[in-house]
Amino acid sequence: DGGITQSPKYLFRKEGQNVTLSCEQNLNHDAMYWYRQDPGQGLRLIYYSQIVNDFQKGDIAEGYSVSREKKESFPLTVTSAQKNPTAFYLCASSRLLGRGETEAFFGQGTRLTVV
Amino acid sequence: DQQVKQNSPSLSVQEGRISILNCDYTNSMFDYFLWYKKYPAEGPTFLISISSIKDKNEDGRFTVFLNKSAKHLSLHIVPSQPGDSAVYFCAASERGRGSNYKLTFGKGTLLTVNP
Repeated sequence: DGGITQSPKYLFRKEGQNVTLSCEQNLNHDAMYWYRQDPGQGLRLIYYSQIVNDFQKGDIAEGYSVSREKKESFPLTVTSAQKNPTAFYLCASSRLLGRGETEAFFGQGTRLTVV
Repeated sequence: DQQVKQNSPSLSVQEGRISILNCDYTNSMFDYFLWYKKYPAEGPTFLISISSIKDKNEDGRFTVFLNKSAKHLSLHIVPSQPGDSAVYFCAASERGRGSNYKLTFGKGTLLTVNP
């Protein structure tokens, strides 16, 4: 089955440690995205990528880093510089169409807790 | 500054009645609008979308209305069912660099459908 997979579902880390969240898709989508969800905040865009080896900062990129070495993979690293890393992280992917009319498909999310 | 606003954090309706979820936006460059449904600890799932060249799109029990002059859209669910109870996110897209796009989300509205 085609889909987008995030792992792990739950992740615990000590304060000051970097941690990498995995996101893989087999939908042959060009674009991939990372969002963060906090209570009462909706979904906020961290980083997005439309093509391999290229990515752009979203609205809250500080303290995060990404890579896009393969079309299928878009890992997110939460660095020790991120002041409030505890959150629910969502990865998404979509096709790219000239008119921009396409929906994004989301993974099941990773709940990161930093203690 | 919120570009997509869902001013009602929650809505409660009776089974069989109509649910109306509202969304306002401020960015006149938005040209495509989407509604997502989300259960706790899961990724959002796409429900329905509408292009800025239309004012209505219908899919089964779900209808989205767009009023461009008022920068307002709404999602109607009729008849509402208990399984519709979830958080509903409104999202909007604008043309980005090249042919990519990014989604801007509202904060969500928690819909509760009572049996």
